[in-house]
Amino acid sequence: NAGVMQNPRHLVRRRGQEARLRCSPMKGHSHVYWYRQLPEEGLKFMVYLQKENIIDESGMPKERFSAEFPKEGPSILRIQQVVRGDSAAYFCASSPASGHGCTFGSGTRLTVV
Amino acid sequence: GDSVTQMEGPVTLSEEAFLTINCTYTATGYPSLFWYVQYPGEGLQLLLKATKADDKGSNKGFEATYRKETTSFHLEKGSVQVSDSAVYFCALYYGGSQGNLIFGKGTKLSVKP
Repeated sequence: NAGVMQNPRHLVRRRGQEARLRCSPMKGHSHVYWYRQLPEEGLKFMVYLQKENIIDESGMPKERFSAEFPKEGPSILRIQQVVRGDSAAYFCASSPASGHGCTFGSGTRLTVV
Repeated sequence: GDSVTQMEGPVTLSEEAFLTINCTYTATGYPSLFWYVQYPGEGLQLLLKATKADDKGSNKGFEATYRKETTSFHLEKGSVQVSDSAVYFCALYYGGSQGNLIFGKGTKLSVKP
């Protein structure tokens, strides 16, 4: 009974490269959320997706960031042309439906050098 | 807008001491309230929750009561252990089309033997 699986756990990218973060929700969960945690900060909501749909992307930066949750396969958070300020821990969470508490993954720690 | 305010840390206690971590919220509606715990290098784990006023959430000796009149959800534990050392996050959640959690900044707890 695997929980929310995120990979990779650690990702190092040079400035200007692309970062792709993957999240497989818990079995039976169709709602996925992405959060970003900057050092010494709380988690900030980025985007909420259901299968093939973006429900709420109010927390996503307007440029370089995109997210998808295809019919088959994991959810992907994609950051193009990374900059040092993108260095953070990115957490994915899933839930069976809205109104339920989320289960979080262990996060991907992105370091931009 | 809606927000969550937590007491600033770090909080350092001796083993078996009484713990209180304050959390207050500002909300336009009637959210559910949550406490999450983050152990070093790991993702967030749901500690406890309350979905309506006067509900008390409890788990692993921790408890918190949803106080609508004071807009608070303070976390308490009667006797902390070294293993409770972690960062604790208070959060509110509406669900529905507002699918995301709104987190406080977190409070770091260190328990000394």
